[in-house]
Amino acid sequence: NFMLTQPHSVSESPGKTVTLSCTRSSGSIVTNYVQWYQQRPGSSPTTVIFEDNRRPSGVPDRFSGSVDSSSNSASLTISGLTTEDEADYYCQSYDSDVVVFGGGTRLTVL
Amino acid sequence: QVQLQESGPGLVKPSETLSLTCTVSGGAISSYYWSWIRQPPGKGLEWIGYVYYSGSTSYNPSLKSRVRISVDTSKNHFSLRLSSVTAADTALYYCTRGSHCGGDCYSPYHMDVWGKGTTVTVSS
Repeated sequence: NFMLTQPHSVSESPGKTVTLSCTRSSGSIVTNYVQWYQQRPGSSPTTVIFEDNRRPSGVPDRFSGSVDSSSNSASLTISGLTTEDEADYYCQSYDSDVVVFGGGTRLTVL
Repeated sequence: QVQLQESGPGLVKPSETLSLTCTVSGGAISSYYWSWIRQPPGKGLEWIGYVYYSGSTSYNPSLKSRVRISVDTSKNHFSLRLSSVTAADTALYYCTRGSHCGGDCYSPYHMDVWGKGTTVTVSS
């Protein structure tokens, strides 16, 4: 099966914009939807983006998702960073009825 | 609003079978896909597998030989059994619900409701 590779950690300042990447190792990133989950310390993951670029109700429009076939990767962009955005972010996709998570990116807002 | 609650032993001996149940409240188990995800201490998320309300399943290939996920619609719960456990199976185990993508569309691939998780330690 394929892997999803995410940078281990990213830091950015409050008010800035950050983009988290998720690269698919084999197969096309555009073939199957990508989801993004946010996990704050001590909490269960919650969805911030599903089906590549859709936001669940309640997720601010500061969060946006995209996929790029040329780099075979998905991206999560968070604008207007606040300290509440500090969390682990996981991308997730699937193929042949198998679900795969990326290793996660720890976002630090300082 | 649907809620999920994991339950089961917090301590399992090596080589034995881990058994967990996820009770669904506030909604029916019918029509949806239900998954188990785990997270070893300090590590990332790992998909274990899913069960459809009808009973069909799909498992992580790396765990397939040891995993069984089943559903009991009469009790509104689904269960995980993982055999021959080792210390590597020590983790926080989450149960999740797949999303309703509209009309007759239900997907196992976007997990939109998560339980709070239950910690399972494998140790003698």
